[in-house]
Amino acid sequence: EVQLVESGGGLVQPGRSLKLSCAASGFTFSDYYMAWVRQAPTKGLEWVASISYDGGSTYYRDSVKGRFTISRDNAKSSLYLQMDSLRSEDTATYYCTRAMMVWGQGASVTVSS
Amino acid sequence: DIQMTQSPPSLSASLGDKVTITCQASQNINKYIAWYQQKPGKAPRQLIRYTSTLVSGTPSRFSGSGSGRDYSFSISNVESEDIASYYCLQYDNLPFTFGSGTKLEIK
Repeated sequence: EVQLVESGGGLVQPGRSLKLSCAASGFTFSDYYMAWVRQAPTKGLEWVASISYDGGSTYYRDSVKGRFTISRDNAKSSLYLQMDSLRSEDTATYYCTRAMMVWGQGASVTVSS
Repeated sequence: DIQMTQSPPSLSASLGDKVTITCQASQNINKYIAWYQQKPGKAPRQLIRYTSTLVSGTPSRFSGSGSGRDYSFSISNVESEDIASYYCLQYDNLPFTFGSGTKLEIK
């Protein structure tokens, strides 16, 4: 069974950092590009970042460029999102996705003092 | 960035009705549109990709069509389990962009 399981969410103060992880199973992780998508409370979906199958190419939405870093470890079948200089507007549930087709259950991130 | 204008924001239907949601892109997206269903407290689930291809497990009462800038998503014979929000996504160009969503309710 294809599965994506996020972890690492929580409550963090503005300006601080947090790292999300996504453990993949049930498929050959290195065959797929991966992405993070977020959803603020009661709001719609917003693509955050993508990474190529080998990690050689990364893409970000403008509002997180320079603050967030997407990475992957194909040997561990894991995807990561390092989030620095967090802002209140980054508060959301963050979903790990396999090529925007298969989604994890989400990790909640709250940025508040 | 490509803007996706989704309508209507909400929809009220009776069981057995056919409902249609539309998404208009700000430019040609070459049929690279997907449709998602999201139930409260759950992750989105992809139902359709590349305009009209049903993802494995998607019931045949769901369908999609369109080309260029204009796309639609329909549910025929609405069932109670279809109560959810629905989103379109264009994945022709980065940044990928979603429509604002349509909330389906049952009358």
